[in-house]
Amino acid sequence: QSVLTQPPSVSAAPGQKVTISCSGSSSNIGNNYVSWYQHLPGTAPKLLIYENNRRPSGIPDRFSGSKSGTSATLGITGLQTGDEADYFCGTWDSSLSVVVFGGGTQLTVL
Amino acid sequence: EVQLLESGGGLVQPGGSLRLSCVASTSTFSTYAVNWVRRAPGKGLEWVSTLTDSGANIYLADSVKGRFTISRDISTNSLYLHMTSLRVEDTAVYYCARGLIAFDLWGQGTLVTVSS
Repeated sequence: QSVLTQPPSVSAAPGQKVTISCSGSSSNIGNNYVSWYQHLPGTAPKLLIYENNRRPSGIPDRFSGSKSGTSATLGITGLQTGDEADYFCGTWDSSLSVVVFGGGTQLTVL
Repeated sequence: EVQLLESGGGLVQPGGSLRLSCVASTSTFSTYAVNWVRRAPGKGLEWVSTLTDSGANIYLADSVKGRFTISRDISTNSLYLHMTSLRVEDTAVYYCARGLIAFDLWGQGTLVTVSS
């Protein structure tokens, strides 16, 4: 069982918007930056969001991140079939002194 | 553009050992923290270990503590993961990744299969 909790799956139609939640505690999300990753098995994971809401160069503004208290959210607008992948949140846990990931959310673009 | 390339994966019996390597295309391991992350079949990403840029701090997941060791060779731009006492549950694709907390560069991964 993961320290960070994500919904196992979300789905939406092309062009629509979806949000993926990530719930933690004061020892991780509550006091540390959150990152978000996109991963298709067999490929290299990709950093989408860092420091809660910042996008690396090359990541379109369709992807956004936010954090409130001990929860974080990834938003994806203008969904494309190419967005189908697994999405993971990650952060540092200050109590455990480890990096923690959410269990992952599988996105299906119907 | 910096690239990371892992190697060293393969099939190993339970209780066996393996050394994974990750080579960077440019000098990067002395400037950034580096990590190993794995993904088992049907499971999510699991952080394994971090080595800070100074080399002074090493962090290990409880699941591998006492069995895995992370190290680097700055002169050859190489990162290693020494794995001993391997278990079936260590079966996964292992990725090296650059960064501290946020991992901005990843390799393609190398598959480790632990099976008799």
